Amino acid sequence: ETGVTQSPTHLIKTRGQQVTLRCSSQSGHNTVSWYQQALGQGPQFIFQYYREEENGRGNFPPRFSGLQFPNYSSELNVNALELDDSALYLCASSRNSYEQYFGPGTRLTVT
Amino acid sequence: AQKVTQAQTEISVVEKEDVTLDCVYETRDTTYYLFWYKQPPSGELVFLIRRNSFDEQNEISGRYSWNFQKSTSSFNFTITASQVVDSAVYFCALSEAGGRETSGSRLTFGEGTQLTVNP
Repeated sequence: ETGVTQSPTHLIKTRGQQVTLRCSSQSGHNTVSWYQQALGQGPQFIFQYYREEENGRGNFPPRFSGLQFPNYSSELNVNALELDDSALYLCASSRNSYEQYFGPGTRLTVT
Repeated sequence: AQKVTQAQTEISVVEKEDVTLDCVYETRDTTYYLFWYKQPPSGELVFLIRRNSFDEQNEISGRYSWNFQKSTSSFNFTITASQVVDSAVYFCALSEAGGRETSGSRLTFGEGTQLTVNP
């Protein structure tokens, strides 16, 4: 196990709703990255947080937003959910080593 | 822009066979990192290896070995004497190494190779 935890494990939402996903980073890690993995595809980078500030963003619309807290845990918020947002959401933590350790993911289903 | 290509979508072997997973990458960076991750059915990505673009030495770890060839932009992964427990999706990934203070940078993943090892 990597020590990275995510909650909830599974989530079902309706189109148009908002969702918050949570990630606790591994002890000693100050960077959290979020990825979206659609079924049958590789993970896509959403954004990264370093010391509570956004530090890089992938090709995702502004309705995808995030936070990082002083203890380096993080949240991913998605507003106005669309059917295509259904995916596995992975967070990864790292510390100055370029080795990102992933959590188990949150499976989001939008109906 | 960075790109990772894993041309093999699915591979099926019989236990104890050797299998090689191919990975070809594109980047304009002169310094970068390459990774392999394993994703079992549970969904969690398991880190296997990281290579620096300046280090082209092949690496062996137990039944796993990696062949990095900068001249062909390839970073192939071989499993020797495969086992049923090796069945998973394997991802090759690339990240820049811009020398910033921040750690990790963004990973660009390939589409993955589904490996099935049959008993």
